[in-house]
Amino acid sequence: KAGVTQTPRYLIKTRGQQVTLSCSPISGHRSVSWYQQTPGQGLQFLFEYFSETQRNKGNFPGRFSGRQFSNSRSEMNVSTLELGDSALYLCASSFLGSGNTIYFGEGSWLTVV
Amino acid sequence: AQTVTQSQPEMSVQEAETVTLSCTYDTSESDYYLFWYKQPPSRQMILVIRQEAYKQQNATENRFSVNFQKAAKSFSLKISDSQLGDAAMYFCAYYNNYGQNFVFGPGTRLSVLP
Repeated sequence: KAGVTQTPRYLIKTRGQQVTLSCSPISGHRSVSWYQQTPGQGLQFLFEYFSETQRNKGNFPGRFSGRQFSNSRSEMNVSTLELGDSALYLCASSFLGSGNTIYFGEGSWLTVV
Repeated sequence: AQTVTQSQPEMSVQEAETVTLSCTYDTSESDYYLFWYKQPPSRQMILVIRQEAYKQQNATENRFSVNFQKAAKSFSLKISDSQLGDAAMYFCAYYNNYGQNFVFGPGTRLSVLP
């Protein structure tokens, strides 16, 4: 069974640009959640999607958005990038929702210059 | 708001020895889940062990076991017979069905000495 796949793995963007990250969950998983990991703030929850609906959202500005498609694949978008958005973005999937075990992808490394 | 605290930023253990990582959490809920995740240098988060709060029995998974003290809101991880491959960052995490999001602790970096 293939794991959670995130693309791209590494990217460099310029301040003010926007970025879209993609996540393909484990087959059969309907819940996808996103996390930001930085040395200073640790692991922080961004949002969770379940069956194409955003079920919960963390404390991030509106520049951070996401969506989920009918095949459960998810994308997150960050607009008007700031230097502080440089981070490892982790996607995780689970079958029923985050109360069950979540399985993580390898992450997307975003560097904003 | 729920918080998760890991008071040991770094720990080390000799190969084949036992080490315990501490985790405390704050919640007013009675129904929740607790997890330990491992993040090796590859940065991929790997589930180590999961505990459901309504279960009094401590979870075990091979060399990994937890000491779950619900009243004290404590959830420590014991690694027995430590191996070099256990070296990683370990995160304690909390989840409840009402808030529906994970809260992670700051992590404990574990080194295993040969």
